[in-house]
Amino acid sequence: KQEVTQIPAALSVPEGENLVLNCSFTDSAIYNLQWFRQDPGKGLTSLLLIQSSQREQTSGRLNASLDKSSGRSTLYIAASQPGDSATYLCAVGQAGTALIFGKGTTLSVSS
Amino acid sequence: GAVVSQHPSRVICKSGTSVKIECRSLDFQATTMFWYRQFPKQSLMLMATSNEGSKATYEQGVEKDKFLINHASLTLSTLTVTSAHPEDSSFYICSAGGETGFDEQYFGPGTRLTVT
Repeated sequence: KQEVTQIPAALSVPEGENLVLNCSFTDSAIYNLQWFRQDPGKGLTSLLLIQSSQREQTSGRLNASLDKSSGRSTLYIAASQPGDSATYLCAVGQAGTALIFGKGTTLSVSS
Repeated sequence: GAVVSQHPSRVICKSGTSVKIECRSLDFQATTMFWYRQFPKQSLMLMATSNEGSKATYEQGVEKDKFLINHASLTLSTLTVTSAHPEDSSFYICSAGGETGFDEQYFGPGTRLTVT
Protein backbone atom coordinates (compact mmCIF):
# COMPACT_ATOMS: atom_id res chain seq x y z
CA LYS A 1 0.00 0.00 0.00
CA GLN A 2 1.39 3.37 -1.02
CA GLU A 3 2.39 5.68 1.81
CA VAL A 4 3.51 9.26 1.44
CA THR A 5 5.57 10.99 4.09
CA GLN A 6 6.47 14.65 4.30
CA ILE A 7 9.27 16.07 6.37
CA PRO A 8 9.36 18.38 8.21
CA ALA A 9 5.81 18.69 9.50
CA ALA A 10 6.35 22.38 10.17
CA LEU A 11 8.97 24.91 9.21
CA SER A 12 9.56 28.53 10.17
CA VAL A 13 12.01 30.69 8.26
CA PRO A 14 12.78 34.39 7.90
CA GLU A 15 11.88 36.12 4.68
CA GLY A 16 14.40 35.70 1.90
CA GLU A 17 15.62 32.24 2.80
CA ASN A 18 15.75 29.39 0.32
CA LEU A 19 14.14 26.24 1.63
CA VAL A 20 13.48 22.62 0.76
CA LEU A 21 10.45 20.53 1.55
CA ASN A 22 10.77 16.78 1.38
CA CYS A 23 8.38 14.08 0.26
CA SER A 24 8.96 10.34 0.16
CA PHE A 25 6.79 7.49 -1.07
CA THR A 26 7.02 3.76 -0.55
CA ASP A 27 5.93 2.40 -3.94
CA SER A 28 7.93 3.71 -6.88
CA ALA A 29 5.31 2.57 -9.41
CA ILE A 30 3.76 6.01 -9.74
CA TYR A 31 2.55 7.86 -12.79
CA ASN A 32 3.06 11.33 -11.48
CA LEU A 33 3.58 13.45 -8.40
CA GLN A 34 1.90 16.72 -7.60
CA TRP A 35 2.71 19.47 -5.16
CA PHE A 36 -0.16 21.55 -3.80
CA ARG A 37 -0.52 24.57 -1.62
CA GLN A 38 -3.36 24.90 0.86
CA ASP A 39 -4.16 28.06 2.76
CA PRO A 40 -6.06 27.73 6.08
CA GLY A 41 -9.67 26.79 5.52
CA LYS A 42 -9.26 26.80 1.75
CA GLY A 43 -9.03 24.29 -1.06
CA LEU A 44 -5.96 23.10 -2.93
CA THR A 45 -3.89 25.09 -5.37
CA SER A 46 -1.85 22.96 -7.72
CA LEU A 47 1.75 24.13 -7.86
CA LEU A 48 3.66 21.61 -9.93
CA LEU A 49 3.00 18.30 -11.63
CA ILE A 50 5.89 15.98 -12.42
CA GLN A 51 5.32 13.01 -14.68
CA SER A 52 7.11 9.80 -13.76
CA SER A 53 9.42 10.19 -16.76
CA GLN A 54 10.50 13.66 -15.70
CA ARG A 55 13.17 14.68 -13.22
CA GLU A 56 12.01 18.15 -12.35
CA GLN A 57 9.59 20.96 -13.01
CA THR A 58 9.96 24.66 -12.41
CA SER A 59 7.48 27.47 -11.96
CA GLY A 60 8.76 30.85 -10.91
CA ARG A 61 10.52 30.53 -7.57
CA LEU A 62 9.43 26.91 -7.21
CA ASN A 63 11.36 23.89 -8.37
CA ALA A 64 10.25 20.33 -7.77
CA SER A 65 12.42 17.31 -8.37
CA LEU A 66 11.53 13.66 -8.59
CA ASP A 67 13.70 10.60 -8.05
CA LYS A 68 11.27 7.79 -8.67
CA SER A 69 13.70 4.98 -8.03
CA SER A 70 14.48 6.20 -4.54
CA GLY A 71 10.91 7.29 -3.86
CA ARG A 72 11.71 10.93 -3.19
CA SER A 73 10.66 14.37 -4.27
CA THR A 74 11.71 17.79 -3.09
CA LEU A 75 10.08 21.17 -3.44
CA TYR A 76 12.56 24.00 -3.47
CA ILE A 77 11.32 27.50 -2.74
CA ALA A 78 13.73 30.31 -3.54
CA ALA A 79 13.77 33.65 -1.79
CA SER A 80 10.81 32.88 0.43
CA GLN A 81 8.19 35.54 1.11
CA PRO A 82 5.54 35.92 3.83
CA GLY A 83 2.94 35.18 1.18
CA ASP A 84 4.43 31.71 0.82
CA SER A 85 3.13 30.83 4.28
CA ALA A 86 0.76 27.89 3.83
CA THR A 87 0.61 24.12 4.06
CA TYR A 88 2.33 22.32 1.21
CA LEU A 89 1.00 18.90 0.26
CA CYS A 90 2.71 16.24 -1.80
CA ALA A 91 0.57 13.64 -3.55
CA VAL A 92 1.36 10.70 -5.81
CA GLY A 93 -0.81 9.46 -8.62
CA GLN A 94 -1.24 5.97 -10.01
CA ALA A 95 -3.28 4.99 -13.02
CA GLY A 96 -6.98 5.70 -12.66
CA THR A 97 -6.79 6.04 -8.92
CA ALA A 98 -7.13 8.86 -6.48
CA LEU A 99 -4.10 10.76 -5.38
CA ILE A 100 -2.45 9.64 -2.16
CA PHE A 101 -1.48 12.55 0.00
CA GLY A 102 1.17 13.17 2.59
CA LYS A 103 0.24 15.00 5.77
CA GLY A 104 1.84 18.20 4.56
CA THR A 105 4.45 20.67 5.70
CA THR A 106 3.18 23.87 7.28
CA LEU A 107 5.45 26.72 6.31
CA SER A 108 5.63 30.05 8.09
CA VAL A 109 7.73 32.83 6.59
CA SER A 110 8.28 35.82 8.85
CA SER A 111 8.97 39.32 7.59
CA GLY B 1 -6.06 24.35 -16.34
CA ALA B 2 -9.38 22.63 -16.06
CA VAL B 3 -11.94 23.87 -13.57
CA VAL B 4 -13.86 21.89 -10.99
CA SER B 5 -16.54 23.60 -8.97
CA GLN B 6 -18.28 22.59 -5.76
CA HIS B 7 -21.53 23.75 -4.29
CA PRO B 8 -22.17 24.82 -1.64
CA SER B 9 -18.89 26.19 -0.38
CA ARG B 10 -20.13 26.20 3.17
CA VAL B 11 -23.14 24.60 4.85
CA ILE B 12 -24.42 24.36 8.38
CA CYS B 13 -27.08 21.79 9.16
CA LYS B 14 -28.75 20.29 12.17
CA SER B 15 -27.95 16.82 13.42
CA GLY B 16 -30.12 14.20 11.73
CA THR B 17 -30.64 16.08 8.49
CA SER B 18 -29.13 15.29 5.09
CA VAL B 19 -26.85 17.48 3.03
CA LYS B 20 -26.03 17.24 -0.67
CA ILE B 21 -22.75 18.49 -2.09
CA GLU B 22 -22.26 18.89 -5.84
CA CYS B 23 -19.04 18.54 -7.75
CA ARG B 24 -18.93 19.69 -11.37
CA SER B 25 -16.24 19.57 -14.01
CA LEU B 26 -16.88 22.77 -15.93
CA ASP B 27 -14.87 22.37 -19.10
CA PHE B 28 -14.13 18.68 -19.42
CA GLN B 29 -15.84 15.36 -18.99
CA ALA B 30 -14.90 13.04 -16.16
CA THR B 31 -15.93 9.41 -16.01
CA THR B 32 -14.26 9.23 -12.64
CA MET B 33 -14.36 11.69 -9.77
CA PHE B 34 -12.96 11.33 -6.29
CA TRP B 35 -14.30 12.48 -2.94
CA TYR B 36 -11.95 13.32 -0.11
CA ARG B 37 -12.48 14.40 3.47
CA GLN B 38 -10.13 16.54 5.50
CA PHE B 39 -10.36 16.97 9.26
CA PRO B 40 -8.68 19.96 10.92
CA LYS B 41 -4.90 19.87 10.66
CA GLN B 42 -5.05 16.53 8.84
CA SER B 43 -4.35 15.62 5.26
CA LEU B 44 -6.87 14.64 2.65
CA MET B 45 -8.25 11.15 3.00
CA LEU B 46 -9.98 9.45 0.11
CA MET B 47 -13.57 8.52 0.86
CA ALA B 48 -14.76 7.07 -2.41
CA THR B 49 -14.31 6.88 -6.14
CA SER B 50 -17.32 8.03 -8.11
CA ASN B 51 -17.86 6.27 -11.42
CA GLU B 52 -20.22 7.65 -14.04
CA GLY B 53 -23.09 5.27 -14.64
CA SER B 54 -22.10 2.76 -12.01
CA LYS B 55 -21.80 2.38 -8.27
CA ALA B 56 -19.19 4.24 -6.32
CA THR B 57 -16.26 2.45 -4.76
CA TYR B 58 -15.84 3.24 -1.09
CA GLU B 59 -12.68 3.14 0.96
CA GLN B 60 -12.49 0.91 3.98
CA GLY B 61 -14.26 2.41 6.94
CA VAL B 62 -16.51 4.73 4.91
CA GLU B 63 -20.19 3.86 5.24
CA LYS B 64 -21.76 3.70 1.80
CA ASP B 65 -25.28 4.06 3.20
CA LYS B 66 -24.32 7.21 5.01
CA PHE B 67 -22.34 8.86 2.24
CA LEU B 68 -24.41 8.42 -0.90
CA ILE B 69 -22.64 9.15 -4.15
CA ASN B 70 -24.35 9.66 -7.48
CA HIS B 71 -22.45 10.25 -10.71
CA ALA B 72 -25.30 10.69 -13.12
CA SER B 73 -23.45 12.53 -15.87
CA LEU B 74 -19.94 13.06 -17.14
CA THR B 75 -19.75 16.46 -15.48
CA LEU B 76 -21.56 16.01 -12.18
CA SER B 77 -21.06 13.91 -9.07
CA THR B 78 -22.99 14.43 -5.87
CA LEU B 79 -22.20 13.41 -2.31
CA THR B 80 -25.10 13.23 0.12
CA VAL B 81 -24.34 13.00 3.80
CA THR B 82 -27.39 11.34 5.27
CA SER B 83 -28.49 11.69 8.89
CA ALA B 84 -25.55 13.94 9.57
CA HIS B 85 -23.94 14.00 13.00
CA PRO B 86 -21.47 16.47 14.51
CA GLU B 87 -18.61 14.05 13.84
CA ASP B 88 -19.35 14.39 10.13
CA SER B 89 -18.31 18.02 10.32
CA SER B 90 -15.36 18.30 7.98
CA PHE B 91 -14.00 19.76 4.78
CA TYR B 92 -15.12 17.76 1.75
CA ILE B 93 -13.17 18.10 -1.50
CA CYS B 94 -13.75 16.48 -4.86
CA SER B 95 -11.39 16.00 -7.76
CA ALA B 96 -11.64 14.96 -11.39
CA GLY B 97 -9.21 14.05 -14.11
CA GLY B 98 -6.16 11.86 -13.97
CA GLU B 99 -7.97 8.99 -15.57
CA THR B 100 -5.12 7.91 -17.76
CA GLY B 101 -2.72 8.18 -14.90
CA PHE B 102 -0.72 10.80 -16.72
CA ASP B 103 -3.20 13.60 -16.51
CA GLU B 104 -3.32 16.14 -13.77
CA GLN B 105 -6.13 15.88 -11.25
CA TYR B 106 -8.11 19.01 -10.69
CA PHE B 107 -9.62 19.81 -7.34
CA GLY B 108 -12.75 21.64 -6.39
CA PRO B 109 -12.55 24.46 -3.84
CA GLY B 110 -14.06 22.30 -1.11
CA THR B 111 -17.20 22.37 1.01
CA ARG B 112 -17.07 23.14 4.71
CA LEU B 113 -19.78 21.12 6.48
CA THR B 114 -20.72 21.96 10.04
CA VAL B 115 -23.28 19.80 11.79
CA THR B 116 -24.77 21.30 14.94
